[in-house]
Amino acid sequence: DQQVKQNSPSLSVQEGRISILNCDYTNSMFDYFLWYKKYPAEGPTFLISISSIKDKNEDGRFTVFLNKSAKHLSLHIVPSQPGDSAVYFCAASFLNSGNTPLVFGKGTRLSVIA
Amino acid sequence: DSGVTQTPKHLITATGQRVTLRCSPRSGDLSVYWYQQSLDQGLQFLIQYYNGEERAKGNILERFSAQQFPDLHSELNLSSLELGDSALYFCASSARTAANYGYTFGSGTRLTVV
Repeated sequence: DQQVKQNSPSLSVQEGRISILNCDYTNSMFDYFLWYKKYPAEGPTFLISISSIKDKNEDGRFTVFLNKSAKHLSLHIVPSQPGDSAVYFCAASFLNSGNTPLVFGKGTRLSVIA
Repeated sequence: DSGVTQTPKHLITATGQRVTLRCSPRSGDLSVYWYQQSLDQGLQFLIQYYNGEERAKGNILERFSAQQFPDLHSELNLSSLELGDSALYFCASSARTAANYGYTFGSGTRLTVV
C-alpha cells in the first residue's frame, strides 16, 4: 500500500517556466514532509521541507505548498533551469515520533528543456 | 561528498550467492537507514539502526539482514540472491531526529544479480 504517491512519473518543462511536482499521501498522521532531488549516479539530496503547521515554505526558487485537507503537497520551481533536471522524491514522516523512517514516493523525473 | 560512504559502488554476482554492502555514516550521526530502489519503484525502506540497535524494520526479506557496529558503520547482508534483488541499495544517516534534519544519503551500491 503506497502511503506516498507521486502519480506523474515524468514532467518536461521549458527553461524559465514554472515546474510543479505533485505528491499525495494517505496517512493523515503524517506531519512532516520533505522533497529530495536525485541526479544519476548520486544519492538523493535534501531540498526543502514543511511541517503540517504551515501551508507554505519557500527557499529561493523552490516553494512547497501543503494542503492538509486534500492530503496533497506540491513543489514549485520558478524559474526552472536545466540543472534542475533530476528525479524528485516526496517523503513523509512523523515529526515527534523520534527516529522513524521516511516514507518515499516513487519519484518524478523532471526534464528542463533549454 | 555527502559524508556517507557506501562500498562497493557496483557489484555483479550470480544467483544464489551472498554479498555484503557496507555503509559509513556521516560523522556524528547515530541512525543508519537502508533503502532499496528497484526499477520503477520508489525508495523502499528496509531497516533502521540507531546507535547499534535495530530500531525499525520495513519490507526486508528474511534472506536479508543488517547490523550496526560499535564504530557506527553498518553492513547489509543479502543472501540466496535472486534476479529480482537487482537494485540500487542506499544507505542514509541522520542525527537524532530524522524528520527534523532529513537524511544524508550515500551514493548507493548498484547490485546486479545474473
